[in-house]
Amino acid sequence: DIQMTQSPSTLSASVGDRVTITCRATQSISGWLAWYQQKPGKAPKLLIYKASGLETGVPSRFSGTGSGTEFTLTISSLQPDDFATYYCQQYSSYPLTFGQGTKLEIK
Amino acid sequence: EVQLLESGGGLVQPGGSLRLSCTASGFSFSTYAMGWVRQAPGKGPEWVSTLSSSGSNTYYADSAKGRFTISRDNSKNTLFLQMNSLRADDTAVYYCAKDPAGGSYPYYFDHWGQGTPVTVSS
Repeated sequence: DIQMTQSPSTLSASVGDRVTITCRATQSISGWLAWYQQKPGKAPKLLIYKASGLETGVPSRFSGTGSGTEFTLTISSLQPDDFATYYCQQYSSYPLTFGQGTKLEIK
Repeated sequence: EVQLLESGGGLVQPGGSLRLSCTASGFSFSTYAMGWVRQAPGKGPEWVSTLSSSGSNTYYADSAKGRFTISRDNSKNTLFLQMNSLRADDTAVYYCAKDPAGGSYPYYFDHWGQGTPVTVSS
């Protein structure tokens, strides 16, 4: 199985900051990576697919890069609504696997 | 608007069974693969199973193999998850989720339901 590891686990930042979350795979997944945002008590929401594709309706301050085993999610200027937990997910092969999450907190 | 509405969760004793349902609307249900993802309290999401659009291809996590069965009724726009031999570590919120393709390849999920909680406890 492909394991996904995110860093950091927790990130403290302020409104307006630029933040980056990293996701690493234990083997190459090409660009088959998605990013989700989850708020407490809610379902995950798709932000990015195929490493860098922005889902319809997602603000352009979110961007994704990477290929192979290393990927990043960047939020260019944090907004109050962005404080949440973020997960990466590989879909190169079954079983689909998620990272353990990065909780973005208000500093 | 895509809507996915899960039902069937609840409290069940270890070794018991539950059948989850997910009713879909707002898209052509029979065109897309569908899946179940669960999330234990305080943990990240864990993929459980995916079923192709036609129902002919099924994929399971090791934790679900032999105990869970995914199925669908395209005439009723409904996805099911039959869960048998439930264990305490199956306790989680179970989400129904839509795959953006037909199910020939693994994919991400572009829409999720609100989830239904399952608690396995005596």
